[in-house]
Amino acid sequence: GAVVSQHPSRVICKSGTSVKIECRSLDFQATTMFWYRQFPKQSLMLMATSNEGSKATYEQGVEKDKFLINHASLTLSTLTVTSAHPEDSSFYICSAKQGARASYNSPLHFGNGTRLTVT
Amino acid sequence: GQQVMQIPQYQHVQEGEDFTTYCNSSTTLSNIQWYKQRPGGHPVFLIQLVKSGEVKKQKRLTFQFGEAKKNSSLHITATQTTDVGTYFCAGRGNTDKLIFGTGTRLQVFP
Repeated sequence: GAVVSQHPSRVICKSGTSVKIECRSLDFQATTMFWYRQFPKQSLMLMATSNEGSKATYEQGVEKDKFLINHASLTLSTLTVTSAHPEDSSFYICSAKQGARASYNSPLHFGNGTRLTVT
Repeated sequence: GQQVMQIPQYQHVQEGEDFTTYCNSSTTLSNIQWYKQRPGGHPVFLIQLVKSGEVKKQKRLTFQFGEAKKNSSLHITATQTTDVGTYFCAGRGNTDKLIFGTGTRLQVFP
């Protein structure tokens, strides 16, 4: 089956530093990847849509200069949390869509998530 | 924007009892998916419904998509302790974005 690898699974960093999270589709090409954020006991909130070879599309209220997304290849998307602060502490989950870009019926395959703690 | 609500927010049941979670979208959906997330884990895809009025079954789980394609339900018959987790519906409108519902957390007591 389709496997999405997300790394690191857990990271603790100091306030003001930047953290990069990688999301890889291991056995399929993903023209589109999505980044979600989940606070404890809450739902997944879509942060941005990452399309290979083009700029990411950010959801309303998500600072694109703070959450940098790069999707340079068909199997890798990265999310960089710049100048992290304690309020950025959360569970970040990436997902990749298997199938053609125009296929709205493709399920998402999720990475295992990254738990970020900013001290 | 598109909103997807689920009720109830929490459900505690005795093992063997049935469980149902309801999902309602503010807009018509092209498809709806259901995911299960165990505590500390990531969402795991369960099923996708595409057609109006569609009903699908997976063992003790029954999924339904409403005729208007704006609501859906997940019913679990005779719950087991392994069913514990949070169940999310997630819908797509006319874009590629998958919007998650608010989730229903299920607790099953033995």
